[in-house]
Amino acid sequence: DIQMTQSPSSLSASVGDRVTITCQASQDISNYLNWYQQKPGKAPKLLIYDASNLETGVPSRFSGSGSGTDFTFTISSLQPEDIATYYCQQYDNLRLTFGGGTKVEIK
Amino acid sequence: EVQLVESGGGLVQPGGSLRLSCAASGFTFSSYEMNWVRQAPGKGLEWVSYISSSGSTIYYADSVKGRFTISRDNAKNSLYLQMNSLRAEDTAVYYCARSTPRYDSSGYLTGLPDYWGQGTLVTVSS
Repeated sequence: DIQMTQSPSSLSASVGDRVTITCQASQDISNYLNWYQQKPGKAPKLLIYDASNLETGVPSRFSGSGSGTDFTFTISSLQPEDIATYYCQQYDNLRLTFGGGTKVEIK
Repeated sequence: EVQLVESGGGLVQPGGSLRLSCAASGFTFSSYEMNWVRQAPGKGLEWVSYISSSGSTIYYADSVKGRFTISRDNAKNSLYLQMNSLRAEDTAVYYCARSTPRYDSSGYLTGLPDYWGQGTLVTVSS
């Protein structure tokens, strides 16, 4: 199985700060990577697909980049409603695998 | 509007069985691949099983292989997960998730997971 290593596991930032999360795959997954946002008690919501494409309706402060094994997710200006846990997910292999998650909190 | 609605969760004793269902609407169910993904309380996301659009290709996570069976009924727009020999570590919210097949000029590439249901809670406890 493809292992996904996500970091950090948690972070605390101020409103307006730039937030960056990284995800590393154990093998080349091309650009077959999703980023999800999950709020407590809710299903994951797709934000970014194909590593860098913004899902319809998602604010432009969210972005993604990378290909191969190294990927980055960025919130350009953190907002209070962005408090959530974020996950990366590979779909190069149909046995989907997820990063461990990053819990984002407001400082 | 794409909708996925899971049902069938509940409290079951260790060693027991449960059948989850996922009712799909708002899209041509028979054209899409489907997955079950679970999340134990306070933990991350774990993929459980995959089924192709026709049902001819199926994969399982090692943690459930031999105990869980995924199936679908395209005429009823429904996905199922039969869970047998349940263990305490199977306690989780179970989500069904749609994958959109991707193609290029060479053929099939992969399936892009895009929509998720709201989940159903399975608790395995005596």
